[in-house]
Amino acid sequence: EDQVTQSPEALRLQEGESSSLNCSYTVSGLRGLFWYRQDPGKGPEFLFTLYSAGEEKEKERLKATLTKKESFLHITAPKPEDSATYLCAVRRGDDYKLSFGAGTTVTVRA
Amino acid sequence: EPEVTQTPSHQVTQMGQEVILRCVPISNHLYFYWYRQILGQKVEFLVSFYNNEISEKSEIFDDQFSVERPDGSNFTLKIRSTKLEDSAMYFCARPGPTNTGELFFGEGSRLTVL
Repeated sequence: EDQVTQSPEALRLQEGESSSLNCSYTVSGLRGLFWYRQDPGKGPEFLFTLYSAGEEKEKERLKATLTKKESFLHITAPKPEDSATYLCAVRRGDDYKLSFGAGTTVTVRA
Repeated sequence: EPEVTQTPSHQVTQMGQEVILRCVPISNHLYFYWYRQILGQKVEFLVSFYNNEISEKSEIFDDQFSVERPDGSNFTLKIRSTKLEDSAMYFCARPGPTNTGELFFGEGSRLTVL
């Protein structure tokens, strides 16, 4: 069974205070690792797809990296609007069934 | 602009009643997915639907649940005889345009069973 573990559960940051979120995974035959952002009461919003160890993707203040066992989401100089829950998910196989982690809730204070 | 539109945004129902949740894609897709998220818990896969048939379902998706594409465009998730533990956010999702594995989710339908 696929295992996706995210840490920490919650992260409180001051505006401008950079930090990283961790996603550890155990899956045979990884076909993609995905990062999503979820605002309260909303659906997950797609951020990044990573396929192979060493790959990196960037979008504004967010940067995602991937190793053979884990992925990191780095938030550089966060702003209050970056406050959200960040979800990690893995895909195994040819279909689009994703296994999600429990998420990291990030709160950025001005 | 959402990739998919889900209705209703919130439904309150009595235990034992049937509910139908709807999903309308912005463009035609053959693949569709339903996920749910109980408050404070992980997003969980329910069922995948391909070309008018169920292609895979989780152990959560028992006989209480069914999916249909009644008019060739809308997708529905029907929950019969609802239970308190069915209270959750239900998300419809479709694959991204580049066929690279990501899913795009709707805004969700919040179901509250009393």
